[in-house]
Amino acid sequence: DTGVSQDPRHKITKRGQNVTFRCDPISEHNRLYWYRQTLGQGPEFLTYFQNEAQLEKSRLLSDRFSAERPKGSFSTLEIQRTEQGDSAMYLCASSLPGGVETQYFGPGTRLLVL
Amino acid sequence: TQLLEQSPQFLSIQEGENLTVYCNSSSVFSSLQWYRQEPGEGPVLLVTVVTGGEVKKLKRLTFQFGDARKDSSLHITAAQPGDTGLYLCAGEGDSNYQLIWGAGTKLIIKP
Repeated sequence: DTGVSQDPRHKITKRGQNVTFRCDPISEHNRLYWYRQTLGQGPEFLTYFQNEAQLEKSRLLSDRFSAERPKGSFSTLEIQRTEQGDSAMYLCASSLPGGVETQYFGPGTRLLVL
Repeated sequence: TQLLEQSPQFLSIQEGENLTVYCNSSSVFSSLQWYRQEPGEGPVLLVTVVTGGEVKKLKRLTFQFGDARKDSSLHITAAQPGDTGLYLCAGEGDSNYQLIWGAGTKLIIKP
C-alpha cells in the first residue's frame, strides 16, 4: 500500500496525559499537513511541513501541540496535557509541490479524551 | 479571508433520485477539489477541477467548476446507498499550499 498511513487509528486517553500520533506520507511527497476534524465539519488546518521544515502553524495549535518531521519523511504530532476539547479526528495529508495542490489523506487517528 | 460555503448541509433521499450539492464562494480559486469521507475514515479525493467552466464526470457523478472559478457543483444521477457519505469541497486559494475547506454536505441514500 503506497498511500498515507497513520498510527494509531484510535486512541483513548485520560485528561492530562500526553499522546503522540504518527503519519507516514506517500514516499515521493515532500509536503505534509496535519488537520483536526470534529464530527460533521470540514478539516481544520493545524500545521504544514515542506520536507523537514515546519512552515506554517495555525492559531488553533496551542503550546500543548507540537509536530515534527525530523528527516523529511514521517511526522509526529504530540499533544501534551490533553483536554476533553482535544477529542477529534486528527488527519494527515501529503502532496507534491508545484502545479495543482491536491492532497491525499490518511485514514486518521480518532482521539477520545476522558 | 477566503471561505467556501456548502449547501445543503444535510440531504437524505431515496435510492434512484438525483441530487446536486453546491460549493460557493465570493473568492476566486485556482483549483477546487471534491472529496468523499466515510465515518471513521479520511477524505478520499474524487476530482480536481482547474479551468473555469470545466465539467468532469466520474461514473454517475458530474462535477462543474463555475466560469469565474468561484463556485462548483456536484451532481449525482440515480443515487445509490454506496454514495452515502460526507462530501467536502476544498479550494486552492491565495496560499500556495493551504486548502480552504467547506463544512461538508452529509448525504444519506436510503435503499
